[in-house]
Amino acid sequence: EAQVTQNPRYLITVTGKKLTVTCSQNMNHEYMSWYRQDPGLGLRQIYYSMNVEVTDKGDVPEGYKVSRKEKRNFPLILESPSPNQTSLYFCASSLSGTGEQFFGPGTRLTVL
Amino acid sequence: KQEVTQIPAALSVPEGENLVLNCSFTDSAIYNLQWFRQDPGKGLTSLLLIQSSQREQTSGRLNASLDKSSGRSTLYIAASQPGDSATYLCAVRGRGSTLGRLYFGRGTQLTVWP
Repeated sequence: EAQVTQNPRYLITVTGKKLTVTCSQNMNHEYMSWYRQDPGLGLRQIYYSMNVEVTDKGDVPEGYKVSRKEKRNFPLILESPSPNQTSLYFCASSLSGTGEQFFGPGTRLTVL
Repeated sequence: KQEVTQIPAALSVPEGENLVLNCSFTDSAIYNLQWFRQDPGKGLTSLLLIQSSQREQTSGRLNASLDKSSGRSTLYIAASQPGDSATYLCAVRGRGSTLGRLYFGRGTQLTVWP
């Protein structure tokens, strides 16, 4: 089944403890992206990748890192999480940088 | 910076009504526009993608139009059903140096009651 998977789906952690949220797609998509969704603010783009080894900032990249070493994976790294990074995170992919976006199920992160 | 607005923020209608959701954007230099549906606690499901050169796209009871010059898109839902209850989001993709950027509206929360 063609899909975008994220792990973990739920995570509660403490301030300053490094964490990684994984994102994987099995559709051979070139483009992948991370978003966070907050009440009243909607969905905002964090980082995106047009292809392997090519990443760029979105609207809210501060406090996040990404890497794209292989086509199928695009992990989101929080080196030192803070409570203002508590949010619902979505990964998405598309065949090309201009194509229809397919979203993962989301990761709900709470930073205490 | 691109700003995307969706009106109304919430809509409650009886089953069977035809309805229109609105999306407006400030910068007409877009590559395409995509409509999504989001159910509570779930991810986004793509409904329709309209390229900037297109005027409309249709899928079943859904029809989306695009007027790039005026910065507007509408999503028309025919004969609404309770199963259509969800939040509907529109997103525009930039052009040129912002091609990889996707800008979302805050959504219209739709409730269709029997």
